[in-house]
Amino acid sequence: KQEVTQIPAALSVPEGENLVLNCSFTDSAIYNLQWFRQDPGKGLTSLLLIQSSQREQTSGRLNASLDKSSGRSTLYIAASQPGDSATYLCAVRPGGFKTIFGAGTRLFVKA
Amino acid sequence: DAGVIQSPRHEVTEMGQEVTLRCKPISGHNSLFWYRQTMMRGLELLIYFNNNVPIDDSGMPEDRFSAKMPNASFSTLKIQPSEPRDSAVYFCASSPTSGGYEKLFFGSGTQLSVL
Repeated sequence: KQEVTQIPAALSVPEGENLVLNCSFTDSAIYNLQWFRQDPGKGLTSLLLIQSSQREQTSGRLNASLDKSSGRSTLYIAASQPGDSATYLCAVRPGGFKTIFGAGTRLFVKA
Repeated sequence: DAGVIQSPRHEVTEMGQEVTLRCKPISGHNSLFWYRQTMMRGLELLIYFNNNVPIDDSGMPEDRFSAKMPNASFSTLKIQPSEPRDSAVYFCASSPTSGGYEKLFFGSGTQLSVL
């Protein structure tokens, strides 16, 4: 059974700091991996999607990497800003249609 | 595009009442998902539709829950009768079935409180 774990559960950093959020999954047989952002009281917004054949994806200050063999992904946020404060969720698609979500990392960027 | 649209945003009801949640997926998306989010259990997939057909409803907690998708632009999730333990945020998400690059697009959710 595929399980997704995110560490840390919460993180507080000063503005301007570079940071890394971690995601691990138990079964390396995945179709793709997505990173989402969720603001309080809002839905999830897809940030980056990495297909199983890819190693990384970049969007602006965000970079996500995927190491399928070790069951790990990282989300790197450069030069963090207070507006980056949110919960970040990692989700893997083992195959078919189901997407398995981690519990998320709550990020707080202090001005 | 307006994105995935859900209504109502908030619903407060009393135990035993019927609750209907609504979703309009992004035009052109073939797949529709209903998720439930709670602090204890995180995001759980309730049911998945492809081309308006329910493919997997194994995540539906019990017979009190039902979902329909009468056409490509509308879906409902119904709880009858509702119970306090059904209190959660219910999300609808849609996805294009392109066979490769398939992002999930979420609505803003319905916050359900059953008293």
